[in-house]
Amino acid sequence: KAGVTQTPRYLIKTRGQQVTLSCSPISGHRSVSWYQQTPGQGLQFLFEYFSETQRNKGNFPGRFSGRQFSNSRSEMNVSTLELGDSALYLCASSLGSGLGLLAFFGQGTRLTVV
Amino acid sequence: TQLLEQSPQFLSIQEGENLTVYCNSSSVFSSLQWYRQEPGEGPVLLVTVVTGGEVKKLKRLTFQFGDARKDSSLHITAAQPGDTGLYLCAGPHSTAGNKLTFGGGTRVLVKP
Repeated sequence: KAGVTQTPRYLIKTRGQQVTLSCSPISGHRSVSWYQQTPGQGLQFLFEYFSETQRNKGNFPGRFSGRQFSNSRSEMNVSTLELGDSALYLCASSLGSGLGLLAFFGQGTRLTVV
Repeated sequence: TQLLEQSPQFLSIQEGENLTVYCNSSSVFSSLQWYRQEPGEGPVLLVTVVTGGEVKKLKRLTFQFGDARKDSSLHITAAQPGDTGLYLCAGPHSTAGNKLTFGGGTRVLVKP
């Protein structure tokens, strides 16, 4: 069974640009969550999508957005990039129903904003 | 706000020694998960503990969930260099289960 696949693995963008990251969850998983990991703040929840609907949202500005497609693949977009957006962006998939279900992470996308 | 605090932040030990990592909260969690993350990679799920007082063993790793479900520990016996990594505990939000709260992590270095 294939794991969670994130593309691309690495990105370098310039301040002010926008970026789109992609996540393909484990087959059969309907929930996709996104996290930002930085050395200073650790892992922070961005948002979760389930059946193409945003179900939960973290405390990030509106520049961060996402969507989920009918095949459960998800994308997240960051507009007007700032230097502080440099981070490892992680996607996690789970079955998506009930509390405390196991989340399986992808390898992440390393975004560097210059 | 549910917070998870991990201690210590950093551990450096020699191969063969034992170590314990702690994960504490003032909030009750329905379950806690432990992950290990290597540089540049995503966290890999090690175990989930669900019942207060539960103890789970994974080879040389022993995980314990506190009776009150507010804390957990990870004990590694006879650590090996392959155990090196960032250990993270995480718990589901009380009303949004797929929103995980993570501890700050414990960076473990096992020297040969």
